[in-house]
Amino acid sequence: AQTVTQSQPEMSVQEAETVTLSCTYDTSENNYYLFWYKQPPSRQMILVIRQEAYKQQNATENRFSVNFQKAAKSFSLKISDSQLGDTAMYFCAFMNYKAAGNKLTFGGGTRVLVKP
Amino acid sequence: EPEVTQTPSHQVTQMGQEVILRCVPISNHLYFYWYRQILGQKVEFLVSFYNNEISEKSEIFDDQFSVERPDGSNFTLKIRSTKLEDSAMYFCASTDKAFLYEQYFGPGTRLTVT
Repeated sequence: AQTVTQSQPEMSVQEAETVTLSCTYDTSENNYYLFWYKQPPSRQMILVIRQEAYKQQNATENRFSVNFQKAAKSFSLKISDSQLGDTAMYFCAFMNYKAAGNKLTFGGGTRVLVKP
Repeated sequence: EPEVTQTPSHQVTQMGQEVILRCVPISNHLYFYWYRQILGQKVEFLVSFYNNEISEKSEIFDDQFSVERPDGSNFTLKIRSTKLEDSAMYFCASTDKAFLYEQYFGPGTRLTVT
C-alpha cells in the first residue's frame, strides 16, 4: 500500500515571497503520478500540478514548480511570488495508474497562509 | 468549462437514517470516484466505478455504502444507516479514459449526522 506524508502542518509566507512544501511517499510501484492539489476555504479540490514518475524533468505551471527526487521518494512544491489567493490547504497525492481503480492517495495536508 | 456538480451542498440527517448524495460527472467521462474528508483530516478514497461496476473500494466502504449510476448521468453514493462518524465532506470526481491522471472534483457535499 502507498503512503504519502506531509511533515509540515502549517506554513506562512509573505506576499511575493517563495515557499516550499515537502512531501514524501512510499511505494514499490514504478508506474505512478504525483500531484499537488489546492483546497481553498471553499473546500473545492483544485489540481495545481502533476508529475509523471517516468519523467526526469520537473513539472512547472506558472508560479508553481516541483522538485521530484524519485530515488528519495520526495516531491516538494515551490510556490514563487506568493499571492494572497494562494492561501489554502495543499495536499500531495499519489496515483498508481496501473492499478484497477486509479485512486488518489492523499497526504495529510499543509496549510499555507500568505500574509500581506 | 465542464464541471462536476454535486447536490445537495449540505445535508443534515439523524443517526440511523439513509442518505443519498448525488453527483453529475462531466458528460464524456467514464470513470467515477467518491472520496471523503472528515473535518481537519486528509482526503480518503472510498470507491472507484467504471463500466457500471466497482473497480476498487477502500476499507471504509463497507456494507453500509453503495454506489449507483441510475440513469447515465447521475452517480450516487448511498449510506444506508448513517453514524455520527460518517459526518464529513464527500467529494465526487470523474475522469475520462484518455486522461486517467486528471480527476476533476466536484465542490463536495457536507454531511452532518446528528
